[in-house]
Amino acid sequence: DGGITQSPKYLFRKEGQNVTLSCEQNLNHDAMYWYRQDPGQGLRLIYYSQIVNDFQKGDIAEGYSVSREKKESFPLTVTSAQKNPTAFYLCASSPRDTISYNEQFFGPGTRLTVL
Amino acid sequence: DQQVKQNSPSLSVQEGRISILNCDYTNSMFDYFLWYKKYPAEGPTFLISISSIKDKNEDGRFTVFLNKSAKHLSLHIVPSQPGDSAVYFCAALNSNYQLIWGAGTKLIIKP
Repeated sequence: DGGITQSPKYLFRKEGQNVTLSCEQNLNHDAMYWYRQDPGQGLRLIYYSQIVNDFQKGDIAEGYSVSREKKESFPLTVTSAQKNPTAFYLCASSPRDTISYNEQFFGPGTRLTVL
Repeated sequence: DQQVKQNSPSLSVQEGRISILNCDYTNSMFDYFLWYKKYPAEGPTFLISISSIKDKNEDGRFTVFLNKSAKHLSLHIVPSQPGDSAVYFCAALNSNYQLIWGAGTKLIIKP
């Protein structure tokens, strides 16, 4: 079964701790993305990666870091520098061919709550 | 500065009637638009898209209309079904192949 996996679904952390959210895909997609969703707002892009060992900042990258050591995996670390980390985090991927590149496939999301 | 706007946070429609969800954009350089559907605690799923060279794209019960001069697009669902109750996001593709998202409209289908 092809798809994108994000785990866990719900995550709790104490303020000041770094936390890493996992995202794995077996769709053989080159591009992967991290979004954050807050109530009443659209998805906002944190980081994206179009190829292994390369990634770019999105609109709200401050306080976050990523790595892309493998094509299948794009973990996101929420650092203690992120001022308002409690949110719903969505990972997505897309192929790079010109026809379907526009359509992103999303994981189920991780709800992070910082106490 | 919101480049993609969905001005209705929610919309309630009777089952069997037409649902019309609206989306406005400000950047005339956008040339590809997508609609995604999202259930609670799940990731969005792609629904339908439209290129700026078209003014209409239809897929079953879903039709997207694009008015480039007004920088406006709309998603029509007819007939509306209970399973259509979800949040609908409009998104535009920018020149960097990044999706710019609207805030979403929550559609509630009443039985």
